[in-house]
Amino acid sequence: EPEVTQTPSHQVTQMGQEVILRCVPISNHLYFYWYRQILGQKVEFLVSFYNNEISEKSEIFDDQFSVERPDGSNFTLKIRSTKLEDSAMYFCASSSLKNTEAFFGQGTRLTVV
Amino acid sequence: AQSVTQPDIHITVSEGASLELRCNYSYGATPYLFWYVQSPGQGLQLLLKYFSGDTLVQGIKGFEAEFKRSQSSFNLRKPSVHWSDAAEYFCAVGARGGSNYKLTFGKGTLLTVNP
Repeated sequence: EPEVTQTPSHQVTQMGQEVILRCVPISNHLYFYWYRQILGQKVEFLVSFYNNEISEKSEIFDDQFSVERPDGSNFTLKIRSTKLEDSAMYFCASSSLKNTEAFFGQGTRLTVV
Repeated sequence: AQSVTQPDIHITVSEGASLELRCNYSYGATPYLFWYVQSPGQGLQLLLKYFSGDTLVQGIKGFEAEFKRSQSSFNLRKPSVHWSDAAEYFCAVGARGGSNYKLTFGKGTLLTVNP
């Protein structure tokens, strides 16, 4: 069964460092998303991406965040200068059509120290 | 903007008992509705979804949910809970149409199953 894969599963980084979270969406999907879940809180939408550009972003997705689909298979989330409050589980998701179900990856737990 | 309310933060049931997890949403039109389950340390697994048609939808693992437009609800049910159902359950609403698609999640309901 096709699935969304995310690497690494857990990343620890020092405050102020750049991190790149990687995702391989399901191969025939066209719409890509990042969500995050701060420990004990709800899952929050960060950004959606289609046709090599951002479709929508939330207020959380400020200038410190960027997304890229560098090679047609990977979908990355970069945080330029991490803050303690960026510590969270980050989920990548993809869907085949605009308004169909999104399939989620297992998540990357980011810990900023 | 859409929103989701899951009024129960934590529910405990005995194995074999029935289960109902509540979900209310706010959205200006007919939404897409989802239930996801998250086991500890795991990702989000889709249990079931409602897009249109029959308001009673069947999902995996014996779960079902009923869309009630008049009550803006999409409650999740299971007639007999198994110990392996212990997890956190998230209701989510997705926007129809438009140029993008995103999910708005509720805060989740943690289910504990007693033997």
